[in-house]
Amino acid sequence: GEDVEQSLFLSVREGDSSVINCTYTDSSSTYLYWYKQEPGAGLQLLTYIFSNMDMKQDQRLTVLLNKKDKHLSLRIADTQTGDSAIYFCAESTNNAGNMLTFGGGTRLMVKP
Amino acid sequence: DVKVTQSSRYLVKRTGEKVFLECVQDMDHENMFWYRQDPGLGLRLIYFSYDVKMKEKGDIPEGYSVSREKKERFSLILESASTNQTSMYLCASSFLGQTLDTGELFFGEGSRLTVL
Repeated sequence: GEDVEQSLFLSVREGDSSVINCTYTDSSSTYLYWYKQEPGAGLQLLTYIFSNMDMKQDQRLTVLLNKKDKHLSLRIADTQTGDSAIYFCAESTNNAGNMLTFGGGTRLMVKP
Repeated sequence: DVKVTQSSRYLVKRTGEKVFLECVQDMDHENMFWYRQDPGLGLRLIYFSYDVKMKEKGDIPEGYSVSREKKERFSLILESASTNQTSMYLCASSFLGQTLDTGELFFGEGSRLTVL
C-alpha cells in the first residue's frame, strides 16, 4: 500500500530557512499536499502541487517535487516563530480527495 | 469560510462506555471523513462517507462505526471504548468535485478522547 514518511522533528532559528522533507511510495500519486497543524487546532491546507510539476512557489513557501525519487520538500524562507507547528505531507491519487495518505508529521520548532 | 465543527473538544470516558463523536460541516460537502491522530503515526483513516447513508471503511475501522443520516452530519461511534482508543479524533470534509477540485480536506479542530 501507499506509505508516506517524514522525519519527526526539525528545529531552526528565527530568520533561517526550514526544509521539511517527505518521501512517498505510490508512483501514481496525482496530487501532493502540505498541511499545517497549529497547537490545539485541526489541519489546514498550506499548499499543494500537481505531480506533473517539479516546483511551486508561494510567497515564503517553495515546494519541490522529485518524481523520480518520490521526494517532496517544503522550504519556508525567513522562518518565523508563528511557523512553529506540525507539518504533514499527504498524497492523493484521486483529485476528488477521497483518499489522502498522510505522513506522520514533522514538528517544526522555531527558536527566537 | 468553510466550517467543520466537532461537538466535543475533550472527553474522558471509562472502558466499556459507548462514545459518540459528532461532526457537522456547513459547506454542503459530499465527502466526510473520520481520522485518528497519534504521535508519529500521522493521520489514519477510520471511515469515510461520500453520501448520506453511505459509508466506507478506511485503514483502521475495527472498534468503530459511523452514521451519516444527514449530509451535513457524520458521527463516529465507539460501541465499547477501550484504552487503546485514547487519541485525537479529527473530522474532515471535502467536495466530490472533479477537475477544479484540488482534493483539499477541511478539518475540524479535533476531539481529544481519553479512555480510562
